[in-house]
Amino acid sequence: DAGVTQSPTHLIKTRGQQVTLRCSPKSGHDTVSWYQQALGQGPQFIFQYYEEEERQRGNFPDRFSGHQFPNYSSELNVNALLLGDSALYLCASSLPGQGVGYTFGSGTRLTVV
Amino acid sequence: AQSVTQPDIHITVSEGASLELRCNYSYGATPYLFWYVQSPGQGLQLLLKYFSGDTLVQGIKGFEAEFKRSQSSFNLRKPSVHWSDAAEYFCAVALSGGYNKLIFGAGTRLAVHP
Repeated sequence: DAGVTQSPTHLIKTRGQQVTLRCSPKSGHDTVSWYQQALGQGPQFIFQYYEEEERQRGNFPDRFSGHQFPNYSSELNVNALLLGDSALYLCASSLPGQGVGYTFGSGTRLTVV
Repeated sequence: AQSVTQPDIHITVSEGASLELRCNYSYGATPYLFWYVQSPGQGLQLLLKYFSGDTLVQGIKGFEAEFKRSQSSFNLRKPSVHWSDAAEYFCAVALSGGYNKLIFGAGTRLAVHP
């Protein structure tokens, strides 16, 4: 049974560029959450998607946006990249009503230069 | 605002020694409580969780944690550490209701000496 799959695993972008990160949830899960983990810090909640809608958002600027597809997979988009956006981006999936039963992916390491 | 504090940034123990990692939270009500472990370059693996009931919770890999409401603490313990336990450990809380976003502490890095 595949867990949460994220792609790509690593990427390097230039300041000002845009990036799209992808996440396939665990089989049977329909809720996807995204977290940003800066070096040496704990993960911070970006937003959560359920039924293709963003239903909760953390303290992140509008440059961070997302999407959920009918098959429950999700994308995280970041526009106008800043050096401070360099981080490990983690995707977590869960069942509704069991939002705490998260399964995390291995993450995408984004480096902005 | 809700917050999670892990007072120890880095801990070193000898293999076979006991371990206790501290976690304190600031919350208006009793939240859901979690401990996750992260190996280098990896995602987060759930060690254990507390929702309600018995305040001593057993997890995977021989870990346990005790919820103390009076101290707003949820400390992680292991009686005998193995070299493979070297990793980063995160305490997290979530609202006991709602959409349950996780709020993480800054983490404790555990090193194990042979």
